[in-house]
Amino acid sequence: KAGVTQTPRYLIKTRGQQVTLSCSPISGHRSVSWYQQTPGQGLQFLFEYFSETQRNKGNFPGRFSGRQFSNSRSEMNVSTLELGDSALYLCASSLGFRAGRATDTQYFGPGTRLTVL
Amino acid sequence: QQQVKQSPQSLIVQKGGIPIINCAYENTAFDYFPWYQQFPGKGPALLIAIRPDVSEKKEGRFTISFNKSAKQFSLHIMDSQPGDSATYFCAARRSHTGKLIFGQGTTLQVKP
Repeated sequence: KAGVTQTPRYLIKTRGQQVTLSCSPISGHRSVSWYQQTPGQGLQFLFEYFSETQRNKGNFPGRFSGRQFSNSRSEMNVSTLELGDSALYLCASSLGFRAGRATDTQYFGPGTRLTVL
Repeated sequence: QQQVKQSPQSLIVQKGGIPIINCAYENTAFDYFPWYQQFPGKGPALLIAIRPDVSEKKEGRFTISFNKSAKQFSLHIMDSQPGDSATYFCAARRSHTGKLIFGQGTTLQVKP
């Protein structure tokens, strides 16, 4: 089974621009979560989607948004980029929670390295 | 209450040693505690996970010890190898959510 794929792998943008990152989950997985990883703040949760609905959201400004499509693929968008948005953006997929499946394992993709100049 | 505190920040051991990484949490609603391993340029990969109704879990050379009353859990790597050199993250999650709260990470170096 193919793993989680993220595109593009590397991206360079300038302040004020916007960016869209893509994530394709493992086949059959319906839940997709996004995380931001920086040396200073570590791994921080952005949001989680399940069956095209946002189920959880982290403490990030409204410039960060996402969506999930009917095939479970997900995109996240960052508008009006700031220097501090430079980070590794990670996507994780899982089967999705049903009653009794509290140990649903999340599998991470390789990430998209975003550099904001 | 949402934090997971991880220590040490970095660790150097000799091959064959047993590095121990510790994590502590406060939110008693957490009921799933995974450990992830991350190599440079890669995404985190799940190593082993535990639920609070179990005090210890072993998978290969990796062992999680869990102390529910102290709200602490730790990762032990038996017979460590240079290939284990990586960054390790503990995490916690509330039941039926996909939101993982990560510790700050521990960079492990295993010397040959």
